[in-house]
Amino acid sequence: QITLRESGPTLVKPTQTLTLTCTFSGFSLSTNGVGVGWIRQPPGKAPEWLALIYGNGNKRYRPSLRGRLTIARATSTNQVVLTMTNMDPVDTATYYCVHNERGPTVVIWEYWGQGTLVTVSS
Amino acid sequence: DIQMTQSPSSLSVSVGDRVTITCQASQDISNYVNWYQQKPGKAPELLIYDASRLQLGVPSRFSGSRSGTYFTFTISNLQPEDIATYYCQQYDNLPPYNFGQGTKLEIK
Repeated sequence: QITLRESGPTLVKPTQTLTLTCTFSGFSLSTNGVGVGWIRQPPGKAPEWLALIYGNGNKRYRPSLRGRLTIARATSTNQVVLTMTNMDPVDTATYYCVHNERGPTVVIWEYWGQGTLVTVSS
Repeated sequence: DIQMTQSPSSLSVSVGDRVTITCQASQDISNYVNWYQQKPGKAPELLIYDASRLQLGVPSRFSGSRSGTYFTFTISNLQPEDIATYYCQQYDNLPPYNFGQGTKLEIK
């Protein structure tokens, strides 16, 4: 059974750096084609894909946010970390961790975490 | 970037209706479109992948099709539990893997 769970701060101040951790189980990021990504969804708006990492180290970022995002495998083999710098109130959203098992040419988000709401406010 | 123009943004529906939602891609993306259902306070759930393939466990009243750069999602015989917001998502070769703006179904 595949599960993903997001953790991190619920409130960050403008200009601060956000660090979110995705802890997953039921699959190995070392399996060919398996990737873990991040998607955010501002309140009342559509989801927006942010970043994706595969076990071979291949990383992909949303071009418009590329300079602010970093995705990496954590020391623990079942965790992926997303950092986003220079947070702004417009970055207020629910952030989801997602799983893709048919990468890198096919991107289907079959499994999602429950999401974590991050509010950016002073 | 490839944009997905989804319509309508909202739809008033009745139980038993046939519901059709459309996404138009800004360029040819073959069959690389997925459809998700999202209920309030929940994460989206995958219903259709590769334009027309039904995800395991999803009722057969949900279907998808493609004609050129137009992608259609259909619910035949709408059930009360289908009231939700639906999104298309494309995954052509390069990112970003954009979503459509969503279609919110509401009961008449």
